[in-house]
Amino acid sequence: SQQGEEDPQALSIQEGENATMNCSYKTSINNLQWYRQNSGRGLVHLILIRSNEREKHSGRLRVTLDTSKKSSSLLITASRAADTASYFCATDRGAQKLVFGQGTRLTINP
Amino acid sequence: NAGVMQNPRHLVRRRGQEARLRCSPMKGHSHVYWYRQLPEEGLKFMVYLQKENIIDESGMPKERFSAEFPKEGPSILRIQQVVRGDSAAYFCASSVEGGGEQYFGPGTRLTVT
Repeated sequence: SQQGEEDPQALSIQEGENATMNCSYKTSINNLQWYRQNSGRGLVHLILIRSNEREKHSGRLRVTLDTSKKSSSLLITASRAADTASYFCATDRGAQKLVFGQGTRLTINP
Repeated sequence: NAGVMQNPRHLVRRRGQEARLRCSPMKGHSHVYWYRQLPEEGLKFMVYLQKENIIDESGMPKERFSAEFPKEGPSILRIQQVVRGDSAAYFCASSVEGGGEQYFGPGTRLTVT
């Protein structure tokens, strides 16, 4: 079964608002990675957070990791129309292969 | 620095034909991964290779699918006798080391008619 499960499955907000997506997983991990995928395109790596880290920032992105709850969140602040995409979390349990969730489809309305 | 390259970007095959998908990792990357994505779904791991070695093929169907990463040249994912259910987007990723950030190519969209 899929390790990562994103929540919500779809999210629609107004430009300028913040978007929060959550990811839950079942087993212990080495790291968790977030990716963005624009419709019909490849994946863009956003951020990697290791199991001993609790929070990381990259520009308008903020990722948190709670290993006790086996969950992570991705916050995009001051959203833009260009942020419209699907967002996936992927977990690495140390076997190098990434296990992806089903993704959150984010729509930013102008 | 060129990213991960995949070709072809789109491939159409009739049932029973063979499909060959190629992936050139980023410069300096010696770890290659193949994933498959069905419409509206996340990616599913297929195989992990290093130069001349298959490290983990636990996600590969037992029949018709094979992968290689030769000493010289790109990694190849080969699907023999394709069926309609093989229609999907196939993504390749590479990393400098195992367990590090994986960088993805644009994918090959395979359509089996």
